[in-house]
Amino acid sequence: QKEVEQNSGPLSVPEGAIASLNCTYSDRGSQSFFWYRQYSGKSPELIMFIYSNGDKEDGRFTAQLNKASQYVSLLIRDSQPSDSATYLCAVKNGSSNTGKLIFGQGTTLQVKP
Amino acid sequence: DGGITQSPKYLFRKEGQNVTLSCEQNLNHDAMYWYRQDPGQGLRLIYYSQIVNDFQKGDIAEGYSVSREKKESFPLTVTSAQKNPTAFYLCASRPTQGEKLFFGSGTQLSVL
Repeated sequence: QKEVEQNSGPLSVPEGAIASLNCTYSDRGSQSFFWYRQYSGKSPELIMFIYSNGDKEDGRFTAQLNKASQYVSLLIRDSQPSDSATYLCAVKNGSSNTGKLIFGQGTTLQVKP
Repeated sequence: DGGITQSPKYLFRKEGQNVTLSCEQNLNHDAMYWYRQDPGQGLRLIYYSQIVNDFQKGDIAEGYSVSREKKESFPLTVTSAQKNPTAFYLCASRPTQGEKLFFGSGTQLSVL
């Protein structure tokens, strides 16, 4: 079992719809969770991070964390063609102070005009 | 402008050759990281350093070497022992009291 798993997609949604991206992780000691967006050939950029169970909203983006079920999701409201990218879920183990992140393989999102 | 600079953007390696990827940051971050990304895959950690003159192996260190002689610099050498080096290499840094990784623009390494 991979430590951090994502559906590679592609996930295709029409413009204006809600895109839902999911991620599961295997280490119950994980305490910090990150969503990065990566355009083709570019470096990842941080969209959101979440530590506590529940929802965290930032503009059109909402991160949801459920530690009991070991999943974290990212919702993108009013999806735009410019949101088309690969979304990487990353997890940091709580017992480590090295800042090491474990990344999932990423989900490719396509927003169709 | 503060940031992380990786060079070159594209690099070609001949069989049996060692090549070095440069990573320089002026963010005054203590921690630096090297990740490898294969097509359609996530990032895998090669090496990381939390302080000058100290570094640790990541998950896929075989065939790679690093040095951290200066806080600003964390070069990665891809040795001839790395038999499948073609990938996108990303350098990142992190402030001591922060969670966010700051990434460079990456180096695409290919084998001739």
